Amino acid sequence: SQQGEEDPQALSIQEGENATMNCSYKTSINNLQWYRQNSGRGLVHLILIRSNEREKHSGRLRVTLDTSKKSSSLLITASRAADTASYFCATENDYKLSFGAGTTVTVRA
Amino acid sequence: ETGVTQTPRHLVMGMTNKKSLKCEQHLGHNAMYWYKQSAKKPLELMFVYNFKEQTENNSVPSRFSPECPNSSHLFLHLHTLQPEDSALYLCASSQVEQGRGGYTFGSGTRLTVV
Repeated sequence: SQQGEEDPQALSIQEGENATMNCSYKTSINNLQWYRQNSGRGLVHLILIRSNEREKHSGRLRVTLDTSKKSSSLLITASRAADTASYFCATENDYKLSFGAGTTVTVRA
Repeated sequence: ETGVTQTPRHLVMGMTNKKSLKCEQHLGHNAMYWYKQSAKKPLELMFVYNFKEQTENNSVPSRFSPECPNSSHLFLHLHTLQPEDSALYLCASSQVEQGRGGYTFGSGTRLTVV
């Protein structure tokens, strides 16, 4: 069943700009993960943030987690054309991963 | 190549056919999953195998039948499917230890039911 909901559904930015997307969820979680999917392919794991963490960085990615608001954000800095993809948040609870509907990001050259 | 291999990549089948999707993971993980991704819908978890035992089926119709002969292989047997079953079927694997890491997905099988 769907747990996370991403916002916005779609985002179009210029190369070099930052992209921010948000995720809200409903129940308690062990961790929250972000994935990227290029058109029609499998998902690629980007970053995992545990429920007791507030912020995490990986390269040009920055993820925040606010468990009191049941929300997370993913920031991609200095975007590139290769960042064009769909991005999904997923919450893990009881060893199962539930996904949101995703944010489609288009980076214009 | 992500460490999870799915075959075939594309499959077209009639509603009366029987076919199987195959997934193999080379990562030493102890859990495997089948997800269904339909257009404009969130990924739906279909089946979970932890330590080769099925622990979740999420009320999937019986025309989908999973098989996990060992911790490295996972099959999804299909029979008498409906056109609405057309979707991208994704296999994933993980190591079931809390907070250890994410799932590794295969590239998926694009299924079209005609």
